[in-house]
Amino acid sequence: EVQLVESGGGLVKPGGSLRLSCAASGFTFSSYSMNWVRQAPGKGLEWVSSISSSSNYTYYADSVKGRFTISRDNAKNSLYLQVNSLRAEDTAVYYCARDNTAIPTGDFDYWGQGTLVTVSS
Amino acid sequence: DIQMTQSPSSLSASVGDRVTITCRASQSISSYLNWYQQKPGKAPKLLIYTASSLQSGVPSRFSGSGSGTDFTLTISSLQPEDFATYYCQQSYSTSSTFGQGTKLEIK
Repeated sequence: EVQLVESGGGLVKPGGSLRLSCAASGFTFSSYSMNWVRQAPGKGLEWVSSISSSSNYTYYADSVKGRFTISRDNAKNSLYLQVNSLRAEDTAVYYCARDNTAIPTGDFDYWGQGTLVTVSS
Repeated sequence: DIQMTQSPSSLSASVGDRVTITCRASQSISSYLNWYQQKPGKAPKLLIYTASSLQSGVPSRFSGSGSGTDFTLTISSLQPEDFATYYCQQSYSTSSTFGQGTKLEIK
């Protein structure tokens, strides 16, 4: 069974940083690209970032470019999102989602339960 | 970025109804269009990919159609578990974008 479990969220002050993690199991992690998608409270879904299976390709939404960094450790079956210079508008549930191929295609076939990041003073 | 616009934003329907949700892209995206279902407090679930392919395990009452800029999600006979919010998403661009969502409520 495919499982994705996010962690690392919490309350942080504006300008602060966090490192979100996603632990994957039930599939060959190194064969799939991975993504982060966020959802502000009561709002819709926003794609944040993608990384290919071997980390050769990374992509970011304009709203986070230069502040967020996606990475992965295939030996640990883990996906990460380093979030810096946080703003109030970054407050959201952050989901990790599996793409259905090694190269990011945008077809998110499995999702984690999400981790909440709250940016507030 | 490619903008995705769904209509309606909300919809009231009864069990057994046939329901259609539409999604329009701001430019042609071929068939690179996915549909997701999200229930309150839960993660989204992929229903339809590449406009019309049914994801494994999804009931056949869900179907998708369209290409270019105009797409539809149809639920042929609403079941109680189908009341949720539905999102379209374009995967044509590496910067994927979602529609604003359609909340399907019980009449």
